[in-house]
Amino acid sequence: DTEVTQTPKHLVMGMTNKKSLKCEQHMGHRAMYWYKQKAKKPPELMFVYSYEKLSINESVPSRFSPECPNSSLLNLHLHALQPEDSALYLCASSQGDQPQHFGDGTRLSIL
Amino acid sequence: RKEVEQDPGPFNVPEGATVAFNCTYSNSASQSFFWYRQDCRKEPKLLMSVYSSGNEDGRFTAQLNRASQYISLLIRDSKLSDSATYLCVTYSGNTGKLIFGQGTTLQVKP
Repeated sequence: DTEVTQTPKHLVMGMTNKKSLKCEQHMGHRAMYWYKQKAKKPPELMFVYSYEKLSINESVPSRFSPECPNSSLLNLHLHALQPEDSALYLCASSQGDQPQHFGDGTRLSIL
Repeated sequence: RKEVEQDPGPFNVPEGATVAFNCTYSNSASQSFFWYRQDCRKEPKLLMSVYSSGNEDGRFTAQLNRASQYISLLIRDSKLSDSATYLCVTYSGNTGKLIFGQGTTLQVKP
């Protein structure tokens, strides 16, 4: 069982759709992360939130928009995605320099 | 040159074998080191943190050599269930980022 919960598990959307990915953790971690992972590659960092403020944006296209409503929740809003954005999207959380805990991901397919 | 380098494998070993994975990192400011395990189409899961003194968890032993910037993972008495990709990961407090190696694939065969 994962302590970081992501919804939905799977998402299929067209290039004109708007959807959101959600992530929740109740471990009291103050850092939360979004990663993108393609097949047979390691996770690539997209965004880092620290104490509910965006601290790192790894030059991610604006069609991905993160949001941190509170210390337990992290959203990723999607709009006008491209087929190459199809991937596994992973959320993670951590405290200080302790290891990050990953959610089980949302598998996203763009038609 | 990648910041964290691993041999991607695959390593194909019989059940019961001992297998070792190595990893090198280039950022001398790296402060924390981890091995994560990732099963096919699943999320990475922390296998163990790695310390300079070396640490062991059952059949798994991890070592860190800061002088050589080298990390290792030893798996003894391999089980079929050990088949997965093993990710070598470093963390730098300066950047607040995890840096992942490409992963090493292990396949344990009966």
